[in-house]
Amino acid sequence: SAVISQKPSRDICQRGTSLTIQCQVDSQVTMMFWYRQQPGQSLTLIATANQGSEATYESGFVIDKFPISRPNLTFSTLTVSNMSPEDSSIYLCSALTGNSYEQYFGPGTRLTVT
Amino acid sequence: KNQVEQSPQSLIILEGKNCTLQCNYTVSPFSNLRWYKQDTGRGPVSLTIMTFSENTKSNGRYTATLDADTKQSSLHITASQLSDSASYICVVSAPGTASKLTFGTGTRLQVTL
Repeated sequence: SAVISQKPSRDICQRGTSLTIQCQVDSQVTMMFWYRQQPGQSLTLIATANQGSEATYESGFVIDKFPISRPNLTFSTLTVSNMSPEDSSIYLCSALTGNSYEQYFGPGTRLTVT
Repeated sequence: KNQVEQSPQSLIILEGKNCTLQCNYTVSPFSNLRWYKQDTGRGPVSLTIMTFSENTKSNGRYTATLDADTKQSSLHITASQLSDSASYICVVSAPGTASKLTFGTGTRLQVTL
């Protein structure tokens, strides 16, 4: 199993600023992901965080807006850049371990942009 | 387009009662189906994972069923408790990595006294 922590747990930010969210897993994992969950909506995959290389982004998400780092097997960051109120959402980190189907999620970061 | 539809959207039941949540999907090809519980302000936590060949799986008071022919699944909660109040999300996976997951919008369950 894997226990995932995220920092911060919540934040209120002003339009035009950027916020970096940290994700720490308590064990080495094969894959890490970032999701967005807008109010009342299901989870949407933003990108796969690749260790030591550029993240793989899903359609509709770009690196300039959501730069991602993954310097090692247990840590990743997601930056939400030049924020607007439309970025208000919960951002969740997720990880896969080994060959298991099991996907673990962090507690999420609740972002409010004013 | 791959879709996962859940019903009902929300449900209120009395503590101690049973309930069943439904999930219909159109994802193809199909690898596995998962049910997650998401408490308010928390990330989803896995309850069950079923592959194509499994038609039922239990985790304590939670029992999931899968009919891969009709592309339907259900999650049955027995003897509900106040702590069962949460959103329950059905997630269907196509073969491959997490980018192949399709999430339902969830059923919000409230258990009351």
